[in-house]
Amino acid sequence: GAVVSQHPSWVICKSGTSVKIECRSLDFQATTMFWYRQFPKQSLMLMATSNEGSKATYEQGVEKDKFLINHASLTLSTLTVTSAHPEDSSFYICSARDLPALGYQETQYFGPGTRLLVL
Amino acid sequence: DAKTTQPPSMDCAEGRAANLPCNHSTISGNEYVYWYRQIHSQGPQYIIHGLKNNETNEMASLIITEDRKSSTLILPHATLRDTAVYYCIVSLNAGNMLTFGGGTRLMVKP
Repeated sequence: GAVVSQHPSWVICKSGTSVKIECRSLDFQATTMFWYRQFPKQSLMLMATSNEGSKATYEQGVEKDKFLINHASLTLSTLTVTSAHPEDSSFYICSARDLPALGYQETQYFGPGTRLLVL
Repeated sequence: DAKTTQPPSMDCAEGRAANLPCNHSTISGNEYVYWYRQIHSQGPQYIIHGLKNNETNEMASLIITEDRKSSTLILPHATLRDTAVYYCIVSLNAGNMLTFGGGTRLMVKP
């Protein structure tokens, strides 16, 4: 099956620094990737939709200048948390939508997540 | 996308069938029912999806009522590794952005 990877799997950083998280589709091309955030004991919340070669679409309440998304190729999207603060500590998960064969539905594959801790 | 309602938690004995219900009374005619699960500290994993007919794969079975207002995910022989949060999601297409509700936390016990 299709595989989505994320790097790093976990990161600890100091308050005020920026952190970049990579999301890669390993064996398929993804014109669309999604970024979710999950706080402890809560469900996943969509942050933004990332389309290859164009600007990301952010959900209401998500600061686009703080969470920079770049989708420069069909297999890579990056999320940069700029000037991270302790309240940005969370589990960040990406997903990628494949391009299905004729007659088949699109499927969304999720990465393993990146745990961010801001001290 | 239609909203779904799931019980917050369920227990199941190891080796027994786990039946996870989901209500989606406002589902529209062309929306699918998708099930994902999330094992602790991992990304969601696709399990199964269906439109009208019951579906079965190597992981689970999906039973959708005739009026499509509810469905049940069945894990026929639950193992300890099936302990996870199970999400029932209704969407026109799995490629769209998915709205995750609270899910059902399934605890499989020895």
